[in-house]
Amino acid sequence: LAKTTQPISMDSYEGQEVNITCSHNNIATNDYITWYQQFPSQGPRFIIQGYKTKVTNEVASLFIPADRKSSTLSLPRVSLSDTAVYYCLVGDYNQGGKLIFGQGTELSVKP
Amino acid sequence: DAGVIQSPRHEVTEMGQEVTLRCKPISGHDYLFWYRQTMMRGLELLIYFNNNVPIDDSGMPEDRFSAKMPNASFSTLKIQPSEPRDSAVYFCASSSDNNSPLHFGNGTRLTVT
Repeated sequence: LAKTTQPISMDSYEGQEVNITCSHNNIATNDYITWYQQFPSQGPRFIIQGYKTKVTNEVASLFIPADRKSSTLSLPRVSLSDTAVYYCLVGDYNQGGKLIFGQGTELSVKP
Repeated sequence: DAGVIQSPRHEVTEMGQEVTLRCKPISGHDYLFWYRQTMMRGLELLIYFNNNVPIDDSGMPEDRFSAKMPNASFSTLKIQPSEPRDSAVYFCASSSDNNSPLHFGNGTRLTVT
């Protein structure tokens, strides 16, 4: 399974765009990249998933370069409620959906 | 859709006692996962099932841990006997297929004294 590396923590201010980059140098051909968000006392919640190039939904954008060895989660105009831990996962769903969580990035949004 | 339902929400027990954690996945989801979260080790995958069959239990820490899925709508994680180092938040998650995201419950916070 591909190992992921993320910054341990990041700080931002309300209204700013936040970009969290994840490294996954040994990503395999069949692996997808998925990001989850976790608030205290809650289970992780799916944010976005992609395989290559760019994916956008109502919450975030995911940028994946051609070599797929990294990915960047972009959160536009963050608010205080975006303070959470963000996890980047890489997994081969064709092998049964086994997903391993890394340490995550603790994002703190300040007023 | 009620989401993944876990019970109890909190469990406090004494060392040596048996603990049973319960999970009801989202209806129609074929995959069920048990994770454990601690400050030291983060989120660890313990075991996962596909169509009620355990597929990978390599994350189960010891023989004291066991998990079952007797039907598509119910799973249990049992610890017998429990130890203080088992104290953690235990999450259950389900997904509809092997290309879909995981849906997590709100977890069971276990404290073993």
